[in-house]
Amino acid sequence: DIQMTQSPSSLSASVGDRVTISCRASESISNNLNWYQQRPGKAPKVLIYAASSLQSGVPSRFSGSGSGTDFTLTISGLRLEDFATYYCQQSYTTVWTSGQGTKVEIK
Amino acid sequence: EVQLVESGGGLIQPGGSLRLSCAASGFTVSSNYMSWVRQAPGKGLEWVSVIYSGGTTYYADSVKGRFTISRDKSKNTLYLQMNSLRAEDTAVYYCARGVYSSNWFIDFWGQGTLVTVSS
Repeated sequence: DIQMTQSPSSLSASVGDRVTISCRASESISNNLNWYQQRPGKAPKVLIYAASSLQSGVPSRFSGSGSGTDFTLTISGLRLEDFATYYCQQSYTTVWTSGQGTKVEIK
Repeated sequence: EVQLVESGGGLIQPGGSLRLSCAASGFTVSSNYMSWVRQAPGKGLEWVSVIYSGGTTYYADSVKGRFTISRDKSKNTLYLQMNSLRAEDTAVYYCARGVYSSNWFIDFWGQGTLVTVSS
């Protein structure tokens, strides 16, 4: 199985901050990397697919980059509604795997 | 409007069986990639099983031989038959639809159904 490792596991930030979350795959997954946001008690919601494509309806302050094994999710100008947990997920293999999550908390 | 509504979760003893259902509306289950994804309390997402539109199925190693994914075209419903349940199967189980646009990703999720395996 491809292992996905996110860092950090949690972070504290203020409204307006720029936040960066990293995700590393245990082997190359090309650009088959997606990012999801999950608020407490809710199902995840896709933000970025194919490493850098913004899903329709998602604010442009979210962006993704990377290819191969190293990927990044950036939130430029954190808003209150962005405090949540973020997961990276690979769709390179037949059974997908995700990172352990990064919880973004209010400082 | 696309909707996915799971049902069938509950409290079950170790070794028991449970069948989860996911009723879909707004699209055709049998024409899409569908998956079951679970989330143990306080943990991340684990893809449990998938079924492609052509009928090919895949399972995570943790459930292989115990879980079976299936669908009913007439009811537009996805199922997950879970046998020989273990404490580590305790989780919220989500039904999800996958789409392909440059790569595969989940664009719609159900609200989830909680499965608790405990004596």
